[in-house]
Amino acid sequence: DGGITQSPKYLFRKEGQNVTLSCEQNLNHDAMYWYRQDPGQGLRLIYYSQIVNDFQKGDIAEGYSVSREKKESFPLTVTSAQKNPTAFYLCASSNTEAFFGQGTRLTVV
Amino acid sequence: GENVEQHPSTLSVQEGDSAVIKCTYSDSASNYFPWYKQELGKRPQLIIDIRSNVGEKKDQRIAVTLNKTAKHFSLHITETQPEDSAVYFCAPDNYGQNFVFGPGTRLSVLP
Repeated sequence: DGGITQSPKYLFRKEGQNVTLSCEQNLNHDAMYWYRQDPGQGLRLIYYSQIVNDFQKGDIAEGYSVSREKKESFPLTVTSAQKNPTAFYLCASSNTEAFFGQGTRLTVV
Repeated sequence: GENVEQHPSTLSVQEGDSAVIKCTYSDSASNYFPWYKQELGKRPQLIIDIRSNVGEKKDQRIAVTLNKTAKHFSLHITETQPEDSAVYFCAPDNYGQNFVFGPGTRLSVLP
């Protein structure tokens, strides 16, 4: 559905634990992005990657890390350094138009 | 980096009326001007876009107009329907250099 897949859909994490969110696309897009969305808020850019093995920080990169070892994959790790990680996370890829995954709702318990 | 603003932040219209949302941006190099719609609990999806060599584009009830000199573009929805209720985001871009979205406009269409 849409060529970009995020997993899992819901994720619960204990405080102090790192967790990795998966994002895979089969659209052959070079560019991939991670956004955070809090309730009733907009999309804030965490990290983006224009090409394999290269990525750039967005507006709110602190407490997050990414890798881009393959064109198809752009996983996001939410580290224990992220003070308030509970949010809805959206991955996107683009050529020009952005295609979004279904999102991962992360809750810290 | 790109500074993107949207006005208004919330908009309520009666069913059948028109709605207009404006997006202003700072990067004069921007050349792609899309609008995305996000329904509650769902992912954003592209509804219309325009490139810098075009001033206006229309697709049924929705249209986008661009004023590149003034660095703003607008989304126009005519004959609004309840299913148009959603949050709308603009995302002016320069060949995918930095996909920054506007803060969003929440549109409510009242029956």
